[in-house]
Amino acid sequence: KAGVTQTPRYLIKTRGQQVTLSCSPISGHRSVSWYQQTPGQGLQFLFEYFSETQRNKGNFPGRFSGRQFSNSRSEMNVSTLELGDSALYLCASSFGAGNYNEQFFGPGTRLTVL
Amino acid sequence: GENVEQHPSTLSVQEGDSAVIKCTYSDSASNYFPWYKQELGKRPQLIIDIRSNVGEKKDQRIAVTLNKTAKHFSLHITETQPEDSAVYFCAATQPKRGSNYKLTFGKGTLLTVNP
Repeated sequence: KAGVTQTPRYLIKTRGQQVTLSCSPISGHRSVSWYQQTPGQGLQFLFEYFSETQRNKGNFPGRFSGRQFSNSRSEMNVSTLELGDSALYLCASSFGAGNYNEQFFGPGTRLTVL
Repeated sequence: GENVEQHPSTLSVQEGDSAVIKCTYSDSASNYFPWYKQELGKRPQLIIDIRSNVGEKKDQRIAVTLNKTAKHFSLHITETQPEDSAVYFCAATQPKRGSNYKLTFGKGTLLTVNP
């Protein structure tokens, strides 16, 4: 099976712009979670989607939003970019809705905000 | 919400020695504790996990122990090898009705194994 893929791999934006990141889960996986990874804060949970519904949300401002499509692919959008949004954004997919489903991570999108 | 503390932030050992990374969590409802390994420039990958009804789990050179009363869990790597060098993240998950779990990660431990 192909692994989790993310596009684009690298992005450079300027403050105030918006950006959309894409995540394609492993075939058959219905849950997609998004994380922000920074050197100082580690991996922080953004949100999780299952069957096109957001079911969990982390403590990020409303500028961060996401959605999931019927084929389980997910997008994350960040509006009005700030310098502090520079990070590696990782998505992870898992098969089911239970608590013990292993999450498989994608390679990440490296976002740089200038 | 859940808070996971991880120590140490960096750890350097000689090849063949053991390495221990410790994590504490705050939410007594947490019931699943995975550990991820992230090599430089690569994605995190699950290396071992433990459920709250188990006190210890072992897989070859790695083991994880869980003390629910004290709310802490540890990763043990024996006979370390240079390829064990990576950042290791612990995590705790809290079950949420009608939802997949939410992973709260520790801030990571950079393990360096010196040949």
